[in-house]
Amino acid sequence: NAGVTQTPKFQVLKTGQSMTLQCAQDMNHNSMYWYRQDPGMGLRLIYYSASEGTTDKGEVPNGYNVSRLNKREFSLRLESAAPSQTSVYFCASKTFIGSPLHFGNGTRLTVT
Amino acid sequence: TQLLEQSPQFLSIQEGENLTVYCNSSSVFSSLQWYRQEPGEGPVLLVTVVTGGEVKKLKRLTFQFGDARKDSSLHITAAQPGDTGLYLCAGYYGGATNKLIFGTGTLLAVQP
Repeated sequence: NAGVTQTPKFQVLKTGQSMTLQCAQDMNHNSMYWYRQDPGMGLRLIYYSASEGTTDKGEVPNGYNVSRLNKREFSLRLESAAPSQTSVYFCASKTFIGSPLHFGNGTRLTVT
Repeated sequence: TQLLEQSPQFLSIQEGENLTVYCNSSSVFSSLQWYRQEPGEGPVLLVTVVTGGEVKKLKRLTFQFGDARKDSSLHITAAQPGDTGLYLCAGYYGGATNKLIFGTGTLLAVQP
């Protein structure tokens, strides 16, 4: 089982460049999430999608956009990367209310 | 300021010692989850607590949800090196049962 797959695993960007982080899950889950993880900050929610066709802001949405392309895929886009967006990004999914989140292995992004 | 604050932020102990990690908020959560994360991987669910005052045990780990559903604790008895990792609490916030917010995390190192 692949579970939650994130691509790429590593990325280096220059300030002002754009990129899209890809996430796909093969567990037929309804809800999908994007988090960023910084030292001493735990995980902070960027955006989430409760179901196909819906997206909502999390705690730190500024500078990001998302697309729930279909039930399997949820992408995160940085239109103009900034050094403050250097972080590890995690995608996660779950099936029903209260069920556990299943995480990918993360994308390590550095913005210089 | 994050909605869920964990303490301590770091903990280094010897094998066989007991420890308690705290997760506190000024907000009420409909349920609260505890996750454990190892380096290079995404977090993995340990337990979900739903009812105020609820206590759940998972081998040497004891989880408690506060009566007012604003706080939780994780107690580990006779810690082992395999318990080393980042422990994260997470709660469904504001009645929006798909918005899962994580705490700041507690990094535990158990020395043999």
